[in-house]
Amino acid sequence: DQQVKQNSPSLSVQEGRISILNCDYTNSMFDYFLWYKKYPAEGPTFLISISSIKDKNEDGRFTVFLNKSAKHLSLHIVPSQPGDSAVYFCAASAGNYGQNFVFGPGTRLSVLP
Amino acid sequence: DGGITQSPKYLFRKEGQNVTLSCEQNLNHDAMYWYRQDPGQGLRLIYYSQIVNDFQKGDIAEGYSVSREKKESFPLTVTSAQKNPTAFYLCASRDQGYGNTIYFGEGSWLTVV
Repeated sequence: DQQVKQNSPSLSVQEGRISILNCDYTNSMFDYFLWYKKYPAEGPTFLISISSIKDKNEDGRFTVFLNKSAKHLSLHIVPSQPGDSAVYFCAASAGNYGQNFVFGPGTRLSVLP
Repeated sequence: DGGITQSPKYLFRKEGQNVTLSCEQNLNHDAMYWYRQDPGQGLRLIYYSQIVNDFQKGDIAEGYSVSREKKESFPLTVTSAQKNPTAFYLCASRDQGYGNTIYFGEGSWLTVV
């Protein structure tokens, strides 16, 4: 059973508009979350993270929101740019010493010029 | 520059052969990981290591083996027992402790011919 879900396999957005990527998790022990961006045949690159003591974290055009009661997080990209077109993964960990991360299946974002 | 180096980038293997993928990091990270990505799917954990001379199986360890003789090196051997080895393999590393980001190498493509 998937502990981290990204129910939208793909998303298309017009350049300049907002992109909203969603992620749901089932394990209530998860308390640290990350978003990664991945281009084909490359390793994922870290975008932004959030710990469970916060409900929002912002970095430039990227904002992550966490709703612990709903076990839901979202990544907002404003404004979206064509270079943002990639696969986005959310990941979660229980924060234990050396704990591994569980990744969602990813959402492919296409930003249309 | 600090980073994670995977080699080779592309590798072809005949059925029945073992093959070893190299992963080296100069970030002085304690924890290292191997993930596998299949087309259209997320990242699945093969093995991880929190410290030298210690490693743990991930979700899909069957048919794989690892070693961690040095802090900076975590090679992955794909054995002939792995039934479907064609995939994109990602090595990652991370500082121990809560809230530390996991960083990825550029990945290695393995194709069985």
